[in-house]
Amino acid sequence: EVQLVESGGGLVQPGGSLRLSCTTSGFTFNSYWMNWVRQAPGKGLEWVANINQYGGEKNYVDSVKGRFTISRDNAKDSLYLQMNSLRGEDTAVYYCGRPSSGFSGIEYWGQGILVTVSS
Amino acid sequence: QSALTQPASVSGSPGQSITISCTGTSSDIGGYKYVAWYQQHPGKAPKLMIYDVTNRPSGVSNRFSGSKSGNTASLTISGLQAEDEADYYCSSYTTSRTWVFGGGTKLTVL
Repeated sequence: EVQLVESGGGLVQPGGSLRLSCTTSGFTFNSYWMNWVRQAPGKGLEWVANINQYGGEKNYVDSVKGRFTISRDNAKDSLYLQMNSLRGEDTAVYYCGRPSSGFSGIEYWGQGILVTVSS
Repeated sequence: QSALTQPASVSGSPGQSITISCTGTSSDIGGYKYVAWYQQHPGKAPKLMIYDVTNRPSGVSNRFSGSKSGNTASLTISGLQAEDEADYYCSSYTTSRTWVFGGGTKLTVL
């Protein structure tokens, strides 16, 4: 059974940092691109970042470029999102996700982890 | 990286069919077959309903179907059921090698 479990969320002050982790199981982690998607309270989904199978390609939505870094550790079957210079508009539930294959839709999602940026 | 355009809401009665549109550009929907649709119930993670424009993942009802014409993709739900009431989001791969979502459509089953 494919499982993705996010951790590391919480309350952080504006300008602060947080590192999210996504621990996976049930599939060959290094065979898939991986994604982070977020959803602000009461708002729609926003794709945040993705990373290819061995970490050689990373892409970001414009609003987080230069502040967020996606990474992965294939030995630990884990995905990460380092978030720096956090702003109020970064407050959201963050999901990690795995596509069905290639660039097809995200078939497997974590349960989501809440990040709140507030003083 | 502008969001794809979806209607804010649609509604239908049980048994009817509804269609949700999703409009993008030649840099996203019009340029790729990588269009997906998601269903999201309140407080839950999204669920993939359609991928690669027309394909259904295993376990998704064949009442859900997808299509694309030019820069616009569509999700059709036939034989509406009460449990279909949810938010629906489209997404597309883009020429920037990123993904973009639509703003979401709230489906109400009357």
